[in-house]
Amino acid sequence: NAGVMQNPRHLVRRRGQEARLRCSPMKGHSHVYWYRQLPEEGLKFMVYLQKENIIDESGMPKERFSAEFPKEGPSILRIQQVVRGDSAAYFCASSLVTGPEAFFGQGTRLTVV
Amino acid sequence: AQKVTQAQTEISVVEKEDVTLDCVYETRDTTYYLFWYKQPPSGELVFLIRRNSFDEQNEISGRYSWNFQKSTSSFNFTITASQVVDSAVYFCALSEGRVSGGYNKLIFGAGTRLAVHP
Repeated sequence: NAGVMQNPRHLVRRRGQEARLRCSPMKGHSHVYWYRQLPEEGLKFMVYLQKENIIDESGMPKERFSAEFPKEGPSILRIQQVVRGDSAAYFCASSLVTGPEAFFGQGTRLTVV
Repeated sequence: AQKVTQAQTEISVVEKEDVTLDCVYETRDTTYYLFWYKQPPSGELVFLIRRNSFDEQNEISGRYSWNFQKSTSSFNFTITASQVVDSAVYFCALSEGRVSGGYNKLIFGAGTRLAVHP
């Protein structure tokens, strides 16, 4: 009964490169949430997805960031042309259709050099 | 607007002391959920507790206890006889839960860094 799996755990990118963060929800969970934790700050909601649908992207930066949750496979958070300010921990959480529980992955720590 | 305030940025205690972490929230909804998470130095988020807005009973789990008071919009967390392993950042979070859809976007406080010294 694996939990929420995120990979990679650590990702280093040079400025201008693309970063792809993957999140596999818990078995049976069809809801995925992405959060960003900037250094020394709390977590901030970015986007909420169901399979093949973006439900709420109110926390996503307007440019360079996108997310998807395809019918098959993990959810992907994509950051294009990364900048130093994108350096953060990115957490994914998943939940059941009806539950208020949200189970978090271990996070991906992105460092932009 | 929803908001979670953790006014204590850092707390330092000596082992075996009791410590209370404060959490004050704002919401217009009558149905909501409150959470506490622990983030140890290793960085993962460890779920500690969830309470719904209709259940004001205090909860105790070992050395941990939670005091939920709707009248003051507070959900405080107490660690009794603290230990060095309790050193971590603790986050309080709010979710305006919906009966259907399971949409539970979490609003996090800024966190309280707890340092327990031997």
